[in-house]
Amino acid sequence: NAGVTQTPKFRILKIGQSMTLQCTQDMNHNYMYWYRQDPGMGLKLIYYSVGAGITDKGEVPNGYNVSRSTTEDFPLRLELAAPSQTSVYFCASSYGTSGWSVDTQYFGPGTRLTVL
Amino acid sequence: DAKTTQPPSMDCAEGRAANLPCNHSTISGNEYVYWYRQIHSQGPQYIIHGLKNNETNEMASLIITEDRKSSTLILPHATLRDTAVYYCIVRVETGANNLFFGTGTRLTVIP
Repeated sequence: NAGVTQTPKFRILKIGQSMTLQCTQDMNHNYMYWYRQDPGMGLKLIYYSVGAGITDKGEVPNGYNVSRSTTEDFPLRLELAAPSQTSVYFCASSYGTSGWSVDTQYFGPGTRLTVL
Repeated sequence: DAKTTQPPSMDCAEGRAANLPCNHSTISGNEYVYWYRQIHSQGPQYIIHGLKNNETNEMASLIITEDRKSSTLILPHATLRDTAVYYCIVRVETGANNLFFGTGTRLTVIP
């Protein structure tokens, strides 16, 4: 049981380039999330998904896109990389419950992205 | 969205109990208190959560005051591996189903 895995671990992009950050979970979780963490700051939610085919914006969605075609995978797409997107990106997943409140998120190891 | 207040940093001697405080004076009756930690840029790790009763698991204990306006996370015998940033989070009951992370408390366990 690998949990939440993310690839790549590190990436350097030039301004205007595109890339996809991969996230896979093997816990059969319904909910998946993408966060970014800037130096010295807490995590901010970019996008989330409550099931295959369903995605929604979080706190900081601009400049990103997501898709959820399967339960296991939740890729994050950067179309036109900008220096402001230099950050560490974390993917997470959780079972999801109807009551919302008792839902533990499990995080991947992160992708460190630098845009120059 | 400053729903919790934590001290920016704390030290604790190895082997002693680490007591990390959190204020959440505007917590709603159906909101839970969650604690996560992040060890040196790794992904955050869930520790414990509670509603109004004190909770204990293999990692820590959570003490919530009767008025629920504050709580304390207790690591009973801190080790060097407990050095991390600890986040106290109150779940926001919106459709977003997310956790709002602040800047947390940086706990340093000293040998």
